[in-house]
Amino acid sequence: NAGVTQTPKFRILKIGQSMTLQCTQDMNHNYMYWYRQDPGMGLKLIYYSVGAGITDKGEVPNGYNVSRSTTEDFPLRLELAAPSQTSVYFCASSYSGRDRVVKPLHFGNGTRLTVT
Amino acid sequence: DAKTTQPNSMESNEEEPVHLPCNHSTISGTDYIHWYRQLPSQGPEYVIHGLTSNVNNRMASLAIAEDRKSSTLILHRATLRDAAVYYCIPTWMKTSYDKVIFGPGTSLSVIP
Repeated sequence: NAGVTQTPKFRILKIGQSMTLQCTQDMNHNYMYWYRQDPGMGLKLIYYSVGAGITDKGEVPNGYNVSRSTTEDFPLRLELAAPSQTSVYFCASSYSGRDRVVKPLHFGNGTRLTVT
Repeated sequence: DAKTTQPNSMESNEEEPVHLPCNHSTISGTDYIHWYRQLPSQGPEYVIHGLTSNVNNRMASLAIAEDRKSSTLILHRATLRDAAVYYCIPTWMKTSYDKVIFGPGTSLSVIP
């Protein structure tokens, strides 16, 4: 299994441009998450999804959009890039069954985004 | 949501045990306590989790206080590779339990 795969690894955007950060997992996990990590800081939850067709806001959703049309994919969209969105973005997935016990999160290797 | 308090930073000598504390005084009876770590320039990785009793795995041990208001991650022999930020996260079993929120964590330095 490849686990959680994020693309691209690096990207430089100009202010006002848009892009989609891709995240896919091959573990049949129902839960998926997007985090951002600013330099020297902790992780902040942007959006999360508990299954295909269901998404919800995290701590810092402004400026981002997500969709979850399949179990495997959870893309993150930046519509109008701003310098404040310069960060490392991590995607993660996990499985939660009927017992609703949160299983360990599996993280991707991250996408380093610079907006200038 | 359950709140956690961890030291900002800790130091350990190589090959010595390390005890990383976490206070989670508002934890509820159904919250699991998860620990993750983040090595430099990498994504976080799962370390261990538990509910009430102490837990061991190949990476570490987790000691949970009887009142569950605190826990301690134990690295039995610190290596240079253990230098990382360690996060303690209660996972809440109520309506908003789906959110997994990371705090600032403890930055562990290992001295050769």
